[in-house]
Amino acid sequence: QKEVEQDPGPLSVPEGAIVSLNCTYSNSAFQYFMWYRQYSRKGPELLMYTYSSGNKEDGRFTAQVDKSSKYISLFIRDSQPSDSATYLCAMMSAGGTSYGKLTFGQGTILTVHP
Amino acid sequence: DAGVTQSPTHLIKTRGQHVTLRCSPISGHKSVSWYQQVLGQGPQFIFQYYEKEERGRGNFPDRFSARQFPNYSSELNVNALLLGDSALYLCASSSATKLFFGSGTQLSVL
Repeated sequence: QKEVEQDPGPLSVPEGAIVSLNCTYSNSAFQYFMWYRQYSRKGPELLMYTYSSGNKEDGRFTAQVDKSSKYISLFIRDSQPSDSATYLCAMMSAGGTSYGKLTFGQGTILTVHP
Repeated sequence: DAGVTQSPTHLIKTRGQHVTLRCSPISGHKSVSWYQQVLGQGPQFIFQYYEKEERGRGNFPDRFSARQFPNYSSELNVNALLLGDSALYLCASSSATKLFFGSGTQLSVL
């Protein structure tokens, strides 16, 4: 079983739709939770960063972390064609040698149609 | 400010050869991590360096090695290349717990 599970999709939605992306994990030591967006053959771009449980909102994006269920989500409101990309969840434990070591999900391919 | 820069952007090698990939972190960042991303998968952790010392190593064979220089730039070396080493190699720099990635080096092994 992988430490981080993410539905690879692909997910196809019309412009303006609300998108929900999810990951589950098994390692209870994870404390830092991130979402990255990756365009084809480019490096991942940090979208959202959350420490421990709770919600965080940034414009059209909302990240949720539920550590009790080991479940994280990313919501995209009013989705745009420019949001079409692969979305990667990533997690990290706390403590010296853990910093810099992210564990990624497989990535979900999202296409937003005009 | 410049982001994380990696060179070269693309590389084609044949089996058995050696390759060196380079990374310059964001100014002020002292930590560099390397990741391998195979098509259709999420990035996999290879190494982390902080202040020129190795702080972490992923589940990769000894053919993979890295180092960090006094200016915090880093090199990833891969010896005896295999077809399965074909991937996007990503470098990330961090000052604390947020990692910022470069655009990567696309390595093709023929």
